[in-house]
Amino acid sequence: ETGVTQTPRHLVMGMTNKKSLKCEQHLGHNAMYWYKQSAKKPLELMFVYSLEERVENNSVPSRFSPECPNSSHLFLHLHTLQPEDSALYLCASSQMIGQEAFFGQGTRLTVV
Amino acid sequence: AQSVAQPEDQVNVAEGNPLTVKCTYSVSGNPYLFWYVQYPNRGLQFLLKYITGDNLVKGSYGFEAEFNKSQTSFHLKKPSALVSDSALYFCAVTTNAGKSTFGDGTTLTVKP
Repeated sequence: ETGVTQTPRHLVMGMTNKKSLKCEQHLGHNAMYWYKQSAKKPLELMFVYSLEERVENNSVPSRFSPECPNSSHLFLHLHTLQPEDSALYLCASSQMIGQEAFFGQGTRLTVV
Repeated sequence: AQSVAQPEDQVNVAEGNPLTVKCTYSVSGNPYLFWYVQYPNRGLQFLLKYITGDNLVKGSYGFEAEFNKSQTSFHLKKPSALVSDSALYFCAVTTNAGKSTFGDGTTLTVKP
């Protein structure tokens, strides 16, 4: 248990659905991250938040929309996804940007 | 632009033998270097980091890594491998600007 909890662990959704991934950290960290991990590209940084403000957006399609309502919670809202978006989505947090990250167990997303 | 290279997709060693997982990096400025391990269907776990100081860094589970500035390398080592060390290992580099880049990962298999 790393102190970073992701729900759900598994999600199957159709291309027209809207769903959200949730991440919660109990570590008092100030930075939170979303990563995508797939077989073709092992680990891609998607979004970075520091003190609830987005500080990095790595050209992620608009069908992925992050939300950070407070320093302990991070969401990833999904809509009209494509089958190639199927992957493991990992949330992480760190005390400050650039320090060692603590990862959740991930959400295995399958888009059908 | 910063980058991380893990030149070996796969490393195989026999239990009890020493292991090395290689990592080289390219970055402007002073790097912060990290190793993470990922077990199947789990998130990444932090193993060790180099920020400054002694070039030999000791981390969790008996792992260590040596920072070599002239060779821009940060190889992960363990004197005696265990079957339970079999996993996917990621090297990462972060600058003081906070941007993190991960390598593509190396699958370590330790055979009894």
